Amino acid sequence: AQKVTQAQTEISVVEKEDVTLDCVYETRDTTYYLFWYKQPPSGELVFLIRRNSFDEQNEISGRYSWNFQKSTSSFNFTITASQVVDSAVYFCALSEKATGNQFYFGTGTSLTVIP
Amino acid sequence: EPEVTQTPSHQVTQMGQEVILRCVPISNHLYFYWYRQILGQKVEFLVSFYNNEISEKSEIFDDQFSVERPDGSNFTLKIRSTKLEDSAMYFCASSQGRLNTEAFFGQGTRLTVV
Repeated sequence: AQKVTQAQTEISVVEKEDVTLDCVYETRDTTYYLFWYKQPPSGELVFLIRRNSFDEQNEISGRYSWNFQKSTSSFNFTITASQVVDSAVYFCALSEKATGNQFYFGTGTSLTVIP
Repeated sequence: EPEVTQTPSHQVTQMGQEVILRCVPISNHLYFYWYRQILGQKVEFLVSFYNNEISEKSEIFDDQFSVERPDGSNFTLKIRSTKLEDSAMYFCASSQGRLNTEAFFGQGTRLTVV
């Protein structure tokens, strides 16, 4: 079974639109961490955010915001006023206390921002 | 800003040959990892390394793979006899701690087995 599901394979938006990338996770561990990484066309993985299972407070960082809801096992990522530079593949990942720091990645969502 | 560096950025090798992928983790980090991403697919965990030994490994990390920290700075992944299906992007990562810190990833080495 998939531990991290990103149901949206590809999304296209027009510049300045808001876009939300969905992430649903599955774990039996009570202590876990959730992450978002960005993979631009150049291929590297860029860390965006980490959230632990005890902190459900939503976070905003500039145009980025994250909505963590344990009740629905979701950790969604919203980009406000998207820009062409936001075009990338975005990965949600899970790390469980039981399995150490091994990351379980979702299949990624490819975001294209059209100018 | 400190970063994880990987060399080479692209490696082409013939099937059956041995390859060594190199990584220099962030200097004060204690945990090191290798991940693999087959083209267009998700990133998959291979192995984690701490205190000079493997701490966790996945099913993918079979006997053809090995890791080593030969000195105080490098962390290597060796594939003994490459197969076509080993073609992928290989990411090295490092973190300070085991649970409560994020992993910083290198830019990746694209391995092409022909």
